[in-house]
Amino acid sequence: DTGVSQNPRHKITKRGQNVTFRCDPISEHNRLYWYRQTLGQGPEFLTYFQNEAQLEKSRLLSDRFSAERPKGSFSTLEIQRTEQGDSAMYLCASSLFLGGAGHQPQHFGDGTRLSIL
Amino acid sequence: DAKTTQPNSMESNEEEPVHLPCNHSTISGTDYIHWYRQLPSQGPEYVIHGLTSNVNNRMASLAIAEDRKSSTLILHRATLRDAAVYYCILNYGGSQGNLIFGKGTKLSVKP
Repeated sequence: DTGVSQNPRHKITKRGQNVTFRCDPISEHNRLYWYRQTLGQGPEFLTYFQNEAQLEKSRLLSDRFSAERPKGSFSTLEIQRTEQGDSAMYLCASSLFLGGAGHQPQHFGDGTRLSIL
Repeated sequence: DAKTTQPNSMESNEEEPVHLPCNHSTISGTDYIHWYRQLPSQGPEYVIHGLTSNVNNRMASLAIAEDRKSSTLILHRATLRDAAVYYCILNYGGSQGNLIFGKGTKLSVKP
């Protein structure tokens, strides 16, 4: 069973640069989520997709952040003009949404740790 | 969104049972109770979930109060590998969308 895969595991960049992260979900999962986690806090929701449609975005997702899931498989999260406050762990999760037929858990990757110099 | 309250930290001895409490007094009828845990340097891991009845799986048991305003995650025999932050989360049964994490309970297990 291949789980959720995130790349890169670590990213160090200078303030003002753009960064892009990739998430490969579990293959049969139709939902894909992005979360952000800072030290000592629980993960905070950013956005999620069902297939290729972006269904919800958090107010945390400023206009410098954009996420895509072009073919309903992998997803990318891009941060433009990075700021010090963007330093965090970015987590991706996927799940199989079956409508009313049962409640399915989310499976998380191990995240991409972003450090802004 | 309905909120949960958990103790900041708990300690347990290895091979003893652990009961992790969670209060969710504003839970609605369609909210599922989920538990996830996060080991150091890893993403959260699903543990168990339930709606009204108690639930058991290979990892843990979930005991849900009759009025659903509280629940308890039970690890039957704690091991050193169970040391983690445990999150109790309410997830709306309809949309089953994003999870709202609190700070969770940091469980330490002593050998």
